[in-house]
Amino acid sequence: EAQVTQNPRYLITVTGKKLTVTCSQNMNHEYMSWYRQDPGLGLRQIYYSMNVEVTDKGDVPEGYKVSRKEKRNFPLILESPSPNQTSLYFCASSNGLAGLSTGELFFGEGSRLTVL
Amino acid sequence: AQKITQTQPGMFVQEKEAVTLDCTYDTSDQSYGLFWYKQPSSGEMIFLIYQGSYDEQNATEGRYSLNFQKARKSANLVISASQLGDSAMYFCAAAEADGGSQGNLIFGKGTKLSVKP
Repeated sequence: EAQVTQNPRYLITVTGKKLTVTCSQNMNHEYMSWYRQDPGLGLRQIYYSMNVEVTDKGDVPEGYKVSRKEKRNFPLILESPSPNQTSLYFCASSNGLAGLSTGELFFGEGSRLTVL
Repeated sequence: AQKITQTQPGMFVQEKEAVTLDCTYDTSDQSYGLFWYKQPSSGEMIFLIYQGSYDEQNATEGRYSLNFQKARKSANLVISASQLGDSAMYFCAAAEADGGSQGNLIFGKGTKLSVKP
């Protein structure tokens, strides 16, 4: 089954404790992206990757890091989480620009992160 | 930079009636894509419909149609014959196909649609 898998789905952590949210897709997609969703703000792009070893900042990259060492994985790293990073995070993938330009963006189920 | 505006934070519609969700976009690119996604209360994001900037005809997918007015930079979603299962959050989004911002998909803040029985 084609899917984007995020882990953990739910996490409560404390300020400053490094954490990683994993994202894996099994569709051999070139494009992957991370978004955060906050009430009243919609989804905002954090980082995206057009292919292996290629990553770019989205609109809200501060406080986050990503890596794309393999095509299927695109982890989101919070080196020193703060309460303002409490949010619902979505990972998404697409078959490169062709897929993205036609809106075929496959989303993970979301990871709800709370930073105390 | 792109910007997506959804002016309706919330809307109500009677079951079986049609409803239009507004979306305007701001982009200087000539080539771009416009999308609508649905997010039910369960949280997952569901792709509904896509419109390319060079497509002359409005996109349709079942009960969904996208009313594309390029000169007005408008990409409204029309849902015909609303069903109770249509109650959800709806997001308009855009992606530029040219230039350095390829891959930067921008979402609006969303419209919460409630369908009344």
